[in-house]
Amino acid sequence: GENVEQHPSTLSVQEGDSAVIKCTYSDSASNYFPWYKQELGKGPQLIIDIRSNVGEKKDQRIAVTLNKTAKHFSLHITETQPEDSAVYFCAATDTGAGSYQLTFGKGTKLSVIP
Amino acid sequence: EAQVTQNPRYLITVTGKKLTVTCSQNMNHEYMSWYRQDPGLGLRQIYYSMNVEVTDKGDVPEGYKVSRKEKRNFPLILESPSPNQTSLYFCASSLSQGNTEAFFGQGTRLTVV
Repeated sequence: GENVEQHPSTLSVQEGDSAVIKCTYSDSASNYFPWYKQELGKGPQLIIDIRSNVGEKKDQRIAVTLNKTAKHFSLHITETQPEDSAVYFCAATDTGAGSYQLTFGKGTKLSVIP
Repeated sequence: EAQVTQNPRYLITVTGKKLTVTCSQNMNHEYMSWYRQDPGLGLRQIYYSMNVEVTDKGDVPEGYKVSRKEKRNFPLILESPSPNQTSLYFCASSLSQGNTEAFFGQGTRLTVV
């Protein structure tokens, strides 16, 4: 099955700086890579996703890059703000596998220091 | 409002006492899943359902049961809870296999003593 490794497990940045979270996956058939943000006391919420036919996707201050050859993808947050503080999860799945199994990384706790 | 609703939000129970955590979604989604979240382990899938009466095991199904008798509901059943099932549980739903954004509930914090 799929295995997703996520680094770092914790990340502290100064407000206004950039933050980068990296994930690697093992199954070359995986073709969908979402990122979820979990605020304290809440369920995870999708913030951005990328499919394997695209190398990069951007949404305002958030961007995701995908390197299929190396089997890794990254989340980039620019101009960080205190409200970006949360736990971030990457995930991977093969949408053509005939089942629905989203494999998550172990999460990164991001702290943005004002 | 589109949402996934779990109940209860908090539950303390004793070893061996059967319990059910309910999950309901109002988005007419086909896919529903249960995850448990433990410190340092992230989110691990327990069971999932691709449609009514279609369920399958995820990565950590031992000690759990599910049912999908209606499209909107996907209860998680612990027949004989044990302390190692103390965890934070999340239900999630998504429209279909191709449209794979998962909408999560608010979570159920379960403590088994």
